[in-house]
Amino acid sequence: DTAVSQTPKYLVTQMGNDKSIKCEQNLGHDTMYWYKQDSKKFLKIMFSYNNKELIINETVPNRFSPKSPDKAHLNLHINSLELGDSAVYFCASTANGLGEETQYFGPGTRLLVL
Amino acid sequence: ILNVEQSPQSLHVQEGDSTNFTCSFPSSNFYALHWYRWETAKSPEALFVMTLNGDEKKKGRISATLNTKEGYSYLYIKGSQPEDSATYLCALPGGGTASKLTFGTGTRLQVTL
Repeated sequence: DTAVSQTPKYLVTQMGNDKSIKCEQNLGHDTMYWYKQDSKKFLKIMFSYNNKELIINETVPNRFSPKSPDKAHLNLHINSLELGDSAVYFCASTANGLGEETQYFGPGTRLLVL
Repeated sequence: ILNVEQSPQSLHVQEGDSTNFTCSFPSSNFYALHWYRWETAKSPEALFVMTLNGDEKKKGRISATLNTKEGYSYLYIKGSQPEDSATYLCALPGGGTASKLTFGTGTRLQVTL
């Protein structure tokens, strides 16, 4: 069983469209994250939720809206997609969101905006 | 903003060589340090979490040390194999919240036959 799963794995879409990426973890963790791997291959935190509550919201355009229906799921909705949104998006989870806990990453969603 | 630096940026070694690379971080307010291994087209995989000054951790041929007073950690790979080829990331919590990991830019290791 995959611990942290993301769908879709690949997403190709036109500029201006709205799309969602889904993330699910079956580890029983309370905290989930969205990261973006930027053009320089750096991993940058976007959002974090702890038990469905938003705790980290980095400087991300408000076209990006996370939603956590329950603590096992953290979805990312992106409105009005732009070319610069093309990147790999990783979901991750950790037990309680404490700094010494291992974060478990999903396989990534490769988004290409044309 | 938490500044996490890794060096070298990339490294090319031959099979059987031993190698090491560095993660540097501010020594004040240290909480924990994470090492991840990230193969191309895969997701980052945790190697170690280190919390105490002088910590040494080992996993097979890979080991890591931590010096929180001077603000660095070393990752060592003994007898490198082609399957060790990956980007090795270090990350530290902080920068506003302990829950948030700030990643270094990584050391990209390539091991050839």
